Amino acid sequence: AQSVTQLGSHVSVSEGALVLLRCNYSSSVPPYLFWYVQYPNQGLQLLLKYTSAATLVKGINGFEAEFKKSETSFHLTKPSAHMSDAAEYFCAVSSFGNEKLTFGTGTRLTIIP
Amino acid sequence: DTEVTQTPKHLVMGMTNKKSLKCEQHMGHRAMYWYKQKAKKPPELMFVYSYEKLSINESVPSRFSPECPNSSLLNLHLHALQPEDSALYLCASSQAGTGSNQPQHFGDGTRLSIL
Repeated sequence: AQSVTQLGSHVSVSEGALVLLRCNYSSSVPPYLFWYVQYPNQGLQLLLKYTSAATLVKGINGFEAEFKKSETSFHLTKPSAHMSDAAEYFCAVSSFGNEKLTFGTGTRLTIIP
Repeated sequence: DTEVTQTPKHLVMGMTNKKSLKCEQHMGHRAMYWYKQKAKKPPELMFVYSYEKLSINESVPSRFSPECPNSSLLNLHLHALQPEDSALYLCASSQAGTGSNQPQHFGDGTRLSIL
């Protein structure tokens, strides 16, 4: 069984401030982890993925995430928030041999001007 | 621009209508997915096709009927839907047979409203 928990359904940060979106996973086998972003009236866009290579993963739009096995976490960060980062963010997990992608409940990011 | 194209973008239908949602990708992906997404919720998996064969059906009601005519196309046939079926329907694709470490690529969805 696999699952992800996203802490905080809604996060607000000021423009230029650090963005930190939290994701903890549960998996009985080594996980593959993904962060997706969804803008209004659009589908999901892949930000970055962890597939057992480097634990620090860099993605698009200045985002990065660090896989920490000891903490079962895969938090998403960005040093300086931009207004265009306002969106819904989903953490997701899959595993070898498992075609299913399990999503967290999502975090809505609001940027304060 | 997304590499997974879904049509139509919006669809309004009555409960007795029959309609189809279409999805197309030209990335050479051999796994394709249908998801249902309600407002402020994550996508819920409905069906998975792998090499044009249905591999996962998440106990979806029979009023939803998927079809994969070839490796680039995925359809979702709709019949006798209920108001609670109103949602955003997302299609996705990925490389198949690689142990699922490949990301899924999503279309922009079809927003379906049932009257």
